[in-house]
Amino acid sequence: AQKITQTQPGMFVQEKEAVTLDCTYDTSDQSYGLFWYKQPSSGEMIFLIYQGSYDEQNATEGRYSLNFQKARKSTNLVISASQLGDSAMYFCAMREMNTGNQFYFGTGTSLTVIP
Amino acid sequence: AAGVIQSPRHLIKEKRETATLKCYPIPRHDTVYWYQQGPGQDPQFLISFYEKMQSDKGSIPDRFSAQQFSDYHSELNMSSLELGDSALYFCASSHSRDRTSYEQYFGPGTRLTVT
Repeated sequence: AQKITQTQPGMFVQEKEAVTLDCTYDTSDQSYGLFWYKQPSSGEMIFLIYQGSYDEQNATEGRYSLNFQKARKSTNLVISASQLGDSAMYFCAMREMNTGNQFYFGTGTSLTVIP
Repeated sequence: AAGVIQSPRHLIKEKRETATLKCYPIPRHDTVYWYQQGPGQDPQFLISFYEKMQSDKGSIPDRFSAQQFSDYHSELNMSSLELGDSALYFCASSHSRDRTSYEQYFGPGTRLTVT
């Protein structure tokens, strides 16, 4: 079974608008971390934001915030005030504390910001 | 701050040749991970090392081997290269005592092209 599911292969957003990228996860671990990475066309993986399974507050980092709904096992990324430089692939990932250290990635969402 | 270093950044090999990718983790990080990202794919976990011992194994082909050295740098050795091995290979590092965020820090990747 897929551990991370991103159901939006591609998304478009108007510059300066907000956009939400969806991510659901599957784990039986109680301790886990959820991450979002941005991958521009140059290829590097840029860390954006992190949410721990025990964190009660939704994580925020500048224009990035997470809508973490633990009961639904979802961690959607909200990008506010989109900029042209936000155009990239966005990957949701999970690391389980008790069943190994590897990251499980979703299939990614390609975001295009329209001027 | 020092980041994960990967070399080379680009590599072109012919079928059936061998390749060695190198990864230098962030200083004081004791765990190294290797991921393979095929064209248009999400990164797939290959293998990880903790304190020079293999800790987790993912979808690494038998033709590949890896090790972590006493200075914590790691090398991924790939033999009998196939066209399907063309991919972006990421190395990531973390410190085992950093339980607060579970984060892995990714290097810039090595883009391997097999012709």
